[in-house]
Amino acid sequence: AQSVTQLDSHVSVSEGTPVLLRCNYSSSYSPSLFWYVQHPNKGLQLLLKYTSAATLVKGINGFEAEFKKSETSFHLTKPSAHMSDAAEYFCVVSDRGRNAGNMLTFGGGTRLMVKP
Amino acid sequence: DTAVSQTPKYLVTQMGNDKSIKCEQNLGHDTMYWYKQDSKKFLKIMFSYNNKELIINETVPNRFSPKSPDKAHLNLHINSLELGDSAVYFCASSQQTDSPLHFGNGTRLTVT
Repeated sequence: AQSVTQLDSHVSVSEGTPVLLRCNYSSSYSPSLFWYVQHPNKGLQLLLKYTSAATLVKGINGFEAEFKKSETSFHLTKPSAHMSDAAEYFCVVSDRGRNAGNMLTFGGGTRLMVKP
Repeated sequence: DTAVSQTPKYLVTQMGNDKSIKCEQNLGHDTMYWYKQDSKKFLKIMFSYNNKELIINETVPNRFSPKSPDKAHLNLHINSLELGDSAVYFCASSQQTDSPLHFGNGTRLTVT
């Protein structure tokens, strides 16, 4: 079984300050992990993915995430927030040991708010 | 040239009606999906369709029936709509299992 927990439902930062969105997962197999972003009235867009290569993953728009197996975490960070980063962020796990197709498990989402 | 497009964007209908949502992808992907996002933004997979093989999520009521005329299209038909069906429905596709998903912009279904 696999699960994802996003520890904060809302995060508020000031423009230009660092962003930290927390994610913990559980998986029976070697997982693939993703972060997706959803802007209002839009579909989800892939930010970055971890698939057992480098543990520090760089994504689009200056975001990066670090896979820490010992902590079962995959936190998303950005050094300096921009107003356009305000959106909903989803941490996602894919249990590659499963054969029933691409059965992803989504976290509950974290709404990032950026103050001027 | 939208990669994953779904129509309509908004759908308002009454309880008991039957409605369909269409989805098309021009990425050449083999796998397509339908997801439901509830009012709390929680996303849950409904179906995945890979090379004509339908994988049904057992928690989805049989009022929901996906139809795939070809691998570029996966439509969602819903019979006897209920208030609890109100949600945003997302279509997505991927090259293969365990590949990142490409999402459509969603269809907001409101059942009154």
